[in-house]
Order: sequence, then C-alpha cells, then structure tokens
Amino acid sequence: GAGVSQTPSNKVTEKGKYVELRCDPISGHTALYWYRQSLGQGPEFLIYFQGTGAADDSGLPNDRFFAVRPEGSVSTLKIQRTERGDSAMYLCASSFQGPNTGELFFGEGSRLTVL
Amino acid sequence: SQQGEEDPQALSIQEGENATMNCSYKTSINNLQWYRQNSGRGLVHLILIRSNEREKHSGRLRVTLDTSKKSSSLLITASRAADTASYFCATDSDNQGGKLIFGQGTELSVKP
Repeated sequence: GAGVSQTPSNKVTEKGKYVELRCDPISGHTALYWYRQSLGQGPEFLIYFQGTGAADDSGLPNDRFFAVRPEGSVSTLKIQRTERGDSAMYLCASSFQGPNTGELFFGEGSRLTVL
Repeated sequence: SQQGEEDPQALSIQEGENATMNCSYKTSINNLQWYRQNSGRGLVHLILIRSNEREKHSGRLRVTLDTSKKSSSLLITASRAADTASYFCATDSDNQGGKLIFGQGTELSVKP
C-alpha cells in the first residue's frame, strides 16, 4: 500500500506476556518513529531510526521495551513482560529523511490492551 | 516530556464559526507542525511552519508563529462538522536530537 501500515490493529494480552508490534513504512522513507499515546494525551516519543540504526532511543521507558529495524524498512517494537500500564495506542510514523525535511506520515496505530 | 502545550484543551463551536487553537513551546525550534487526529485513528499532517516564517495558509487553515513569544496558533475558518477532531502541535528543535515532540492537543467539536 501507499501509506504506513501497522499490525496488528488491536492486541489484547495478559500481564506478563510478550508482544510484538510491526510497522511497515512508506517505501523509500529512511526515518522511522515509534510513539505511544494514552487516551486524551499527545503522542509520546519512544524511539527514532535513521536507516537500520536507532538514532535516538531516549523515549523507551525501560528495558522491557526494544525496537529493531534490521533492513532499514520494516520495524518491530517488542515489549517483554507486559504490564497493565503498557496499555496504549502505539503509533508508527515515517519520513523521507529526518524531521527537518518535513512531515511525518503516521499509520493507524496498534491498540494494545494488557489485562 | 512534552515541549508544546496547547490551549484550550477542548473547544466546542457551531458550524460556520472560526476555531482558534494555541500552542506554546519552551526551546528554540527549527520548525513547528500541526497535526489532526480523528478519534482512534493515526495523525495526519496539516501544515509546517519554519522558524523564519511568521504566517502560512493552506485552504481554510491559517498558522502563525511568534518565535519571540514561543507560540503558534492554528485558525480554522468557516468550520464544518467534519473538522471535529483533536489537533496537536509538534516541534522540531536541534536539542531534541531529530525527533518531533508533540503537545497534549486541543479537542475540537464542531456542532452542525
């Protein structure tokens, strides 16, 4: 497709389980971002990739969260030992280069619910 | 941490009226962007204004930027029910390491 694709759109899991969320960016976009959004709040930055490498992972809340982008395209956000507080909408975005060049293109998000 | 702070948090107007949302930020910026988000959906880019620009227009949208006051405003003229959404400002600064930082948003409700 032409836009950023995120799967799954909804994920319900139990406390303590492992979760993977996938993001397929727009073809040719070198920058990829993960944000987390709680209800009624703005998107909170998690991690930013430029190509295959994490340019900035300062937003990852703790070592249970990890993200990869091995071939510089698809990215996976991995959450270990999920907690109820991890419940949120996880948004992925891509851009042609870095943010100085313009807009981010967002996917529709993956809504994670931890019971 | 959030760089931008929008106000008001919520705004309810009638169709045909203008809607003004404000954003304040803390550090000097390269550019400021506005995004829209329909309930439960992803964000959609509306407009980008660079630090050396003061005003920008796109259709019914008008954005202003005052770097001396570290603030921006988004004006939607002749609002429509379909404009009902949350609106977020986001800033790009050299000291943010290449990432956009979003504010908390303004929830706009346009009643037909």
